[in-house]
Amino acid sequence: SQQGEEDPQALSIQEGENATMNCSYKTSINNLQWYRQNSGRGLVHLILIRSNEREKHSGRLRVTLDTSKKSSSLLITASRAADTASYFCAVFRGYSTLTFGKGTMLLVSP
Amino acid sequence: DVKVTQSSRYLVKRTGEKVFLECVQDMDHENMFWYRQDPGLGLRLIYFSYDVKMKEKGDIPEGYSVSREKKERFSLILESASTNQTSMYLCASSQNRDRGTYEQYFGPGTRLTVT
Repeated sequence: SQQGEEDPQALSIQEGENATMNCSYKTSINNLQWYRQNSGRGLVHLILIRSNEREKHSGRLRVTLDTSKKSSSLLITASRAADTASYFCAVFRGYSTLTFGKGTMLLVSP
Repeated sequence: DVKVTQSSRYLVKRTGEKVFLECVQDMDHENMFWYRQDPGLGLRLIYFSYDVKMKEKGDIPEGYSVSREKKERFSLILESASTNQTSMYLCASSQNRDRGTYEQYFGPGTRLTVT
C-alpha cells in the first residue's frame, strides 16, 4: 500500500507557536498532497509537492519532501486558533485516486 | 469558485431502507469519488468514476452501488442500509490527469445515521 501515515496523531499548541506534522509513505511517488479538514466538514486542498521538489511554501505553510526517506512534513508557522483542524497527507495510488492517511488532529489554543 | 455540493448534511434512515446520496460538481471534472470517513480509520474510498457511466470499485464497495448518468452528478446508493453504514460520507471531484497530479475538491459531507 502507498498509504500515507501522519505523525503525531494529535498535537496541541498555543497560538503563535509553530506546528509540525509528518507523513511517511511506502512506495515511490510522483507527488504528495496535504489537505485540511475542519471539524465535521469536507477536506480542503492545501498544497502539492512534486517528487522533484524538496520544499514548497504557501503563506504560513511550508512543506518538505524527502524521497530517500519516503517522508514529508508540513510546518504551520505562527499558528492561530483558526488553524485548529485535522491535517491529512495523500499519495497517488492509480487511476487518479489518492490514498489518505488517518490524519493529525491539531488544536491551537488562544 | 469551485463547488462540490452534497444533497444533505445530515440524514437519518432506518435499517433496510434504500438510501440515495447525491453529489454535484460545477467544475466540469471528469473524476468523481465517494469516501466514507470513520474515527480511527481515516478516509476510505468506496467507488470512483472517471467518466459518465463509468465506475470503478474502491477499497470498500460492499453494500454500495453508484450511478453517474451525467458528468456533473455522482450518486451513492445504499441498497439496504445497515447500522454499520452509519458514517460521514464525502464526495470529491478532480480533473483527469495521469499520476494524480490534480487536487481533489470535496463536498461538505453527509453524516448518515442508520437506526
